[in-house]
Amino acid sequence: EAGVAQSPRYKIIEKRQSVAFWCNPISGHATLYWYQQILGQGPKLLIQFQNNGVVDDSQLPKDRFSAERLKGVDSTLKIQPAKLEDSAVYLCASSLGTGTASYNEQFFGPGTRLTVL
Amino acid sequence: DQQVKQNSPSLSVQEGRISILNCDYTNSMFDYFLWYKKYPAEGPTFLISISSIKDKNEDGRFTVFLNKSAKHLSLHIVPSQPGDSAVYFCAAGSNNDMRFGAGTRLTVKP
Repeated sequence: EAGVAQSPRYKIIEKRQSVAFWCNPISGHATLYWYQQILGQGPKLLIQFQNNGVVDDSQLPKDRFSAERLKGVDSTLKIQPAKLEDSAVYLCASSLGTGTASYNEQFFGPGTRLTVL
Repeated sequence: DQQVKQNSPSLSVQEGRISILNCDYTNSMFDYFLWYKKYPAEGPTFLISISSIKDKNEDGRFTVFLNKSAKHLSLHIVPSQPGDSAVYFCAAGSNNDMRFGAGTRLTVKP
């Protein structure tokens, strides 16, 4: 079974530039998560989709971050414009269901490491 | 806001001994708790979980203990193996709100 795919693996940009990350979840997984992990901290949930609908985006900085999952499968996360403090690893994860039980079956991708100069 | 804290950034133990990783949380509404393991250049992988109705859950060499009154959980690994060397994250939450600690880097020496 293929895992969660993410690209690119690394990205270096200058502040005020735009950047986009792509995630392809495990086939059949209805729920998709985007996390931000700043160095020395744990992952922080940015947005959670169930199919193509948003379940939770309370921690997404909506003035600069956006995400979509148009066909309920793969997803993109965009930052426009980027700030220095956006430097982090962006993790995508997927699970079959939603709610607390789904965290047992949450599979993470390898992440995209973003450096903003 | 740090609702989940792992106060030890690192832990080193000898192979065959017990590893104890600790985690504290502040939100009494949290009712589900998990531990994840992370190797370099990989995403976290789920290790073990416990709900608030239990105080212990065991899976092979891994046991998670929950002390609700103290808002504290711990992960015990017995016996520790060199392959257990990784960063361990605890997470706590309810429904769709899950918060992660900053992680503890465990090194198991042969």
